[in-house]
Amino acid sequence: EVQLVESGGGLIQPGGSLRLSCAASGFTVSSNYMSWVRQAPGKGLEWVSVIYSGGSTYYSDSVKGRFTISRDNSKNTLYLQMNSLRAEDTAVYYCARRRSGSYFFDYWGQGTLVTVSS
Amino acid sequence: QSALTQPASVSGSPGQSITISCTGTSSDVGGYNYVSWYQQHPGKAPKLMIYDVSNRPSGVSNRFSGSKSGNTASLTISGLQAEDEADYYCSSYTSISTQEFGGGTKLTVL
Repeated sequence: EVQLVESGGGLIQPGGSLRLSCAASGFTVSSNYMSWVRQAPGKGLEWVSVIYSGGSTYYSDSVKGRFTISRDNSKNTLYLQMNSLRAEDTAVYYCARRRSGSYFFDYWGQGTLVTVSS
Repeated sequence: QSALTQPASVSGSPGQSITISCTGTSSDVGGYNYVSWYQQHPGKAPKLMIYDVSNRPSGVSNRFSGSKSGNTASLTISGLQAEDEADYYCSSYTSISTQEFGGGTKLTVL
């Protein structure tokens, strides 16, 4: 059974850093395209970043230069390193799988809440 | 402002049909047959309902269907049921290897 479990969220001051984790089971992270999608309170979904099976990474303009997506193949885990956090980064962060070669998210985690506030 | 444009809300009575539109550009919706639709109930993670414009994943009711014309994709739900009340988001692959979402549509079943 495919499962995605995010962790690492919490309350952080503006300008601070946080690393989110997404532990996967039931499939191999490195063989798929893995993304982070966020949702600010009461708002819609916003795509954040993707790491392809070949290692290429892409980011939305709103986080480029501040966030870094990565994976640990030995732990079958996806990460999102978030630096220089701003109030507008406050959101529930979901990790989501795009099966290799596909263009849709077939599995989602339950999300982890990041709150950026002083 | 979201990259893809959806109506903020739609409503319908049980048994009726509704359609939600999703308008993009030739760099996303119009350029690829890679539009997907997600259903999200309050406090829950999104659920895939339609992929590649018109395909339904296993387990999704055939009351849900998708289509596309030009730069606009559509999600139609027929035979509305109370449990269909949720937020719906479209998504598209883009010409720069990223993904975009619409702003979301709140479906109310009257």
